[in-house]
Amino acid sequence: DTEVTQTPKHLVMGMTNKKSLKCEQHMGHRAMYWYKQKAKKPPELMFVYSYEKLSINESVPSRFSPECPNSSLLNLHLHALQPEDSALYLCASSQGENEQFFGPGTRLTVL
Amino acid sequence: GQNIDQPTEMTATEGAIVQINCTYQTSGFNGLFWYQQHAGEAPTFLSYNVLDGLEEKGRFSSFLSRSKGYSYLLLKELQMKDSASYLCALDAGAGSYQLTFGKGTKLSVIP
Repeated sequence: DTEVTQTPKHLVMGMTNKKSLKCEQHMGHRAMYWYKQKAKKPPELMFVYSYEKLSINESVPSRFSPECPNSSLLNLHLHALQPEDSALYLCASSQGENEQFFGPGTRLTVL
Repeated sequence: GQNIDQPTEMTATEGAIVQINCTYQTSGFNGLFWYQQHAGEAPTFLSYNVLDGLEEKGRFSSFLSRSKGYSYLLLKELQMKDSASYLCALDAGAGSYQLTFGKGTKLSVIP
């Protein structure tokens, strides 16, 4: 298995909702990442987990809460989001500091 | 910090060769990645340069000059499916797991 999977593919939520994005990889990678990408912009790093521990939090608002239940799974819990949080959320994984493999992304729309 | 510059858009003809440049200013980095991203899809890995010089992979080659703060991606025998955004990214290394992306170059291949 050489892919990163993400669910759901699309998500529409209101500003008072609570939802979660899920990411899974079975390549034995020890680092997993969340990126946010707005249209026509490059991906922006949000969080990095290394060996299931949060190693980087790029000053992301607390309405985004990451969780790494085990080495294969990465979640992003969403609560009280704003319309400007609408974007493509990409999960990635890597074996150390090498090539990052990206999932297909979740396209999030906040109404 | 890191500053990465790429042209915003380029157009090239099917069957031709195109060179996409990336210049950067940084205090240090491990290596430089090139990723391809089709509209609405996740980035996919193309190449990784650690040492100066040319890395060739089929129709795609990537070059790095650390002394000049410069890299390029060379695409030969262009095909219509090569129309995509090409992202240059610096790997900060030193256990940071951080990948900083340039803004990307949107390449349009025309018949």
